[in-house]
Amino acid sequence: EVQLVESGGGLVQPGGSLRLSCAASGFRFSSYAMSWVRQAPGKGLECVSTITGSADSTSYADSVKGRFTISRDNSKNTVYLQMNSLRVEDTAVYYCAKGSSTWPTWFDPWGQGTLVTVSS
Amino acid sequence: EIVMTQSPATLSVSPGERATLSCRASQSVSSNLAWYQQKPGQAPRLLIYGASTRATGIPARFSGSGSGTEFTLTISSLQSEDFAVYYCQSYNNWLPRFGQGTKVEI
Repeated sequence: EVQLVESGGGLVQPGGSLRLSCAASGFRFSSYAMSWVRQAPGKGLECVSTITGSADSTSYADSVKGRFTISRDNSKNTVYLQMNSLRVEDTAVYYCAKGSSTWPTWFDPWGQGTLVTVSS
Repeated sequence: EIVMTQSPATLSVSPGERATLSCRASQSVSSNLAWYQQKPGQAPRLLIYGASTRATGIPARFSGSGSGTEFTLTISSLQSEDFAVYYCQSYNNWLPRFGQGTKVEI
């Protein structure tokens, strides 16, 4: 069974940093792109970053470019999202999601999400 | 940048009725289009990929159609468990894009 388990969320002040982790199991991790998708309270979904299976390519939403960094450790079956210079508007549930191939495609499955709250 | 637009924002239907949800892309995404269902407090669940292929375990009452810029998700006979928010998502380029969602309510 494919499982994705996020961790690392919490309360942080504006300007602060957090690192999210997503531990994967049940599939050949290095063969699949992974993404982080967030959902602000009461709002829709936004894909903030993706990384290919081999980690040779990444992409970012304009809203987080230059502040967030996605990475992966295929030996640990884990994908990370380093979030710096956090803003109030980054408050959201952050989901980790598996792509269908080494390139970004549709997402299946998703993790349960981890809540990031940016507030003073 | 591809912009995905869903309509209507809210769809009021009764159990047993047919529901038709629309998704439009600002430029062609070919058939690189997925649909998700999200219930309160839960992560989204994949329903459809490739515009028309049902994901594993998805009931046959869910169907997708379209290509290019116009797409439709049809729920042939709404069950109580189908009341939720539905999102379309394109994956035609490096950063997948979501529509803003359609809430299907009673």
